[in-house]
Amino acid sequence: ETGVTQTPRHLVMGMTNKKSLKCEQHLGHNAMYWYKQSAKKPLELMFVYSLEERVENNSVPSRFSPECPNSSHLFLHLHTLQPEDSALYLCASSQALWDSGNTIYFGEGSWLTVV
Amino acid sequence: TQLLEQSPQFLSIQEGENLTVYCNSSSVFSSLQWYRQEPGEGPVLLVTVVTGGEVKKLKRLTFQFGDARKDSSLHITAAQPGDTGLYLCAGGWEGGGADGLTFGKGTHLIIQP
Repeated sequence: ETGVTQTPRHLVMGMTNKKSLKCEQHLGHNAMYWYKQSAKKPLELMFVYSLEERVENNSVPSRFSPECPNSSHLFLHLHTLQPEDSALYLCASSQALWDSGNTIYFGEGSWLTVV
Repeated sequence: TQLLEQSPQFLSIQEGENLTVYCNSSSVFSSLQWYRQEPGEGPVLLVTVVTGGEVKKLKRLTFQFGDARKDSSLHITAAQPGDTGLYLCAGGWEGGGADGLTFGKGTHLIIQP
């Protein structure tokens, strides 16, 4: 239990569906992240929020849409995904934007399968 | 783009054996972190090393940061089945923000009883 909770843990969706992934952190952190983990690839940073403001968008396709309504919650809205988007999506948080002294805490991830 | 190469990609050994996995880069990092990820879970931080040549121990795990801060190693003594998992290294640099943390592909370690 890292203090970062993700739901759902598993999701299967069709390419025309709209779904959302939810992340909640109970650590009082100010920074939250979405990462994508695919087989044979390093963890890829998708989005970064600091104090509810988006500070990073690493050329992520617009079919992924993040939302951070407050510092404890982070959503990833999904629509018209492709099969190659199937992956483990990890939410993470840290006290402040990552620096040498900070620790990033990961959630358990949401396994997404696009059919 | 900062790249971290981890080796070996896969390692399967018997319980009780020793092993070392490596994390190498051509870039200099201000710090390097090691994570372990068990099946079905997110990565969990094991250690952060920040000084060139630094050695940290966590029970049977020994972590070393290279003198030039470009590489790191993780040595496990008398491996146990509970050590099984994906070991990820991640390097970062001062002022990099979240973008300053680069992950390797990881080493998949299996310890057979």
